[in-house]
Amino acid sequence: ELKVEQNPLFLSMQEGKNYTIYCNYSTTSDRLYWYRQDPGKSLESLFVLLSNGAVKQEGRLMASLDTKARLSTLHITAAVHDLSATYFCAVDKDGGSQGNLIFGKGTKLSVKP
Amino acid sequence: DAGVIQSPRHEVTEMGQEVTLRCKPISGHNSLFWYRQTMMRGLELLIYFNNNVPIDDSGMPEDRFSAKMPNASFSTLKIQPSEPRDSAVYFCASSWTGRGGKLFFGSGTQLSVL
Repeated sequence: ELKVEQNPLFLSMQEGKNYTIYCNYSTTSDRLYWYRQDPGKSLESLFVLLSNGAVKQEGRLMASLDTKARLSTLHITAAVHDLSATYFCAVDKDGGSQGNLIFGKGTKLSVKP
Repeated sequence: DAGVIQSPRHEVTEMGQEVTLRCKPISGHNSLFWYRQTMMRGLELLIYFNNNVPIDDSGMPEDRFSAKMPNASFSTLKIQPSEPRDSAVYFCASSWTGRGGKLFFGSGTQLSVL
């Protein structure tokens, strides 16, 4: 059974600090997805990482993928309150690109002044 | 484009009643997914359609759950009879499998079964 594990599950940060969220998965997928969910809202796609070594950055968020280690990281630089949300990583259930995604439990990030 | 449209946004029903959730995917997308989100179990994939055909329904919890996609622009998820443990947020998502599998989610239906 495919497993997608995130850690930490809860993260409280001070504004201006850096931190990394980790996502481990058990399949041989060569692509990984990161989503953001604000409280009471839907999921919004952040990054699609399509190959080993892929790195994508948007604003204060940077995501990377190591398919050999089956590990993806989401790095937060100089956190601001607007980044407070739950972040999910996801992997295709069949290891391909069908979009049949299995999600991690999510990391609830709270950025405090 | 209006995005993925789900209805209703909120549904409150009594145990034993039939519940039907509706979804209109983004025009041109060829895959549609139903997910359920709860605090305890997180996001669970229930069923996945490709070109209107159910491909993987292994996540459907019981025979009380059924899903249909009669055409490319409409899908339903039905629960009959509903139980309190079905209370959750149900999300519909669609994608174009030729674009790397990125999912676009609807706003969800908050279901409460009393």
